Amino acid sequence: NAGVTQTPKFQVLKTGQSMTLQCAQDMNHEYMSWYRQDPGMGLRLIHYSVGAGITDQGEVPNGYNVSRSTTEDFPLRLLSAAPSQTSVYFCASSPPQGLAGDVSSYNEQFFGPGTRLTVL
Amino acid sequence: AQSVSQHNHHVILSEAASLELGCNYSYGGTVNLFWYVQYPGQHLQLLLKYFSGDPLVKGIKGFEAEFIKSKFSFNLRKPSVQWSDTAEYFCARPGGYNKLIFGAGTRLAVHP
Repeated sequence: NAGVTQTPKFQVLKTGQSMTLQCAQDMNHEYMSWYRQDPGMGLRLIHYSVGAGITDQGEVPNGYNVSRSTTEDFPLRLLSAAPSQTSVYFCASSPPQGLAGDVSSYNEQFFGPGTRLTVL
Repeated sequence: AQSVSQHNHHVILSEAASLELGCNYSYGGTVNLFWYVQYPGQHLQLLLKYFSGDPLVKGIKGFEAEFIKSKFSFNLRKPSVQWSDTAEYFCARPGGYNKLIFGAGTRLAVHP
């Protein structure tokens, strides 16, 4: 299994440009999330999805859109990039609780390698 | 709202020194607790997790953590650190259904 993959690894945008960060997982996990990591602030949840066709906002959703058309993919779109969106973005997935009786996996998230985004 | 506090933002140690990183969590909700590690330039990896049972949890690479319910704490320990332990460490807990809330992180630098 490749686990959680993200593309691109690095990206530089100009203010106002749009782009999509790609995320895919091959573990058949129902739950997927996007976090941003900023110095001294840990990871903050942007958007999440509990399954194909279902998404919801996290702690810092403004300026980002998501969709979930398949179980495997969960792209994050920046509609009009701003310097405040300079950050490292991590995608994560997790199995639903109680999957195959393994309750110890409840809430455990598996992370992708991240995308480092700079907005000028 | 659920929260996680990590009080040590930067820690500098020499090799072979003992390590203890503090983590306190807020009262209420499901108490699953996690420690993740992020090595320079890499993604987050799970070090260990507490779900229930024995409050002393052993993880990978010689790390362990103790869940102390009365203190709302889940401190990470290692008896003897190595240069390769240089990384950022995050404590986390559920903030809702399959969502995690992370602490601000602790940057550990280990000098040879």
